[in-house]
Amino acid sequence: NAGVTQTPKFRILKIGQSMTLQCTQDMNHNYMYWYRQDPGMGLKLIYYSVGAGITDKGEVPNGYNVSRSTTEDFPLRLELAAPSQTSVYFCASIFGPNEKLFFGSGTQLSVL
Amino acid sequence: AQTVTQSQPEMSVQEAETVTLSCTYDTSESDYYLFWYKQPPSRQMILVIRQEAYKQQNATENRFSVNFQKAAKSFSLKISDSQLGDAAMYFCAYRSYKGAQKLVFGQGTRLTINP
Repeated sequence: NAGVTQTPKFRILKIGQSMTLQCTQDMNHNYMYWYRQDPGMGLKLIYYSVGAGITDKGEVPNGYNVSRSTTEDFPLRLELAAPSQTSVYFCASIFGPNEKLFFGSGTQLSVL
Repeated sequence: AQTVTQSQPEMSVQEAETVTLSCTYDTSESDYYLFWYKQPPSRQMILVIRQEAYKQQNATENRFSVNFQKAAKSFSLKISDSQLGDAAMYFCAYRSYKGAQKLVFGQGTRLTINP
């Protein structure tokens, strides 16, 4: 039981490049989330999913895309990376209401 | 939409003393959860304490306790007998009972422990 696994842990991108941040969980959780955390700030919701095949925008979705083809995986796609996307990205998941939220260990992304 | 506000960007306390971190929130809902998370330099998100809005009794976890004032929409965290390992960023967060269980975070308070 690995919990929530994010890869990679660190990445440097050049402006205009694209990449996918991977997130997988082995707890059969229905709900999954992507947050970003800018330096010295709180976490802001990018996208979320309430089950396979269902995704929706959060507070800061511009520049990102997600998919949820399986219960386990919730990848985050960055298209045309910009310096404003330099941040730490967290994936999280929860089984349902009144349950504990599990966080991944985060991905530090720098766009130069 | 719900909002969470932490008005203290930084706090410091002497080791073994008590410190209180403030949090206010705005919501029109009556049923929700409130949380305090700790984020050390490792950037791991660690749940410190949780409060259900329907419970009048304030939650406690060892040296950590909260003062939950539902009418005032206030949710402060008290850390007693502060230890060097308590140094971290602390985030207050809100989650609705209903819907997609999304967490809304405050801006965070950086806590420094002085030996």
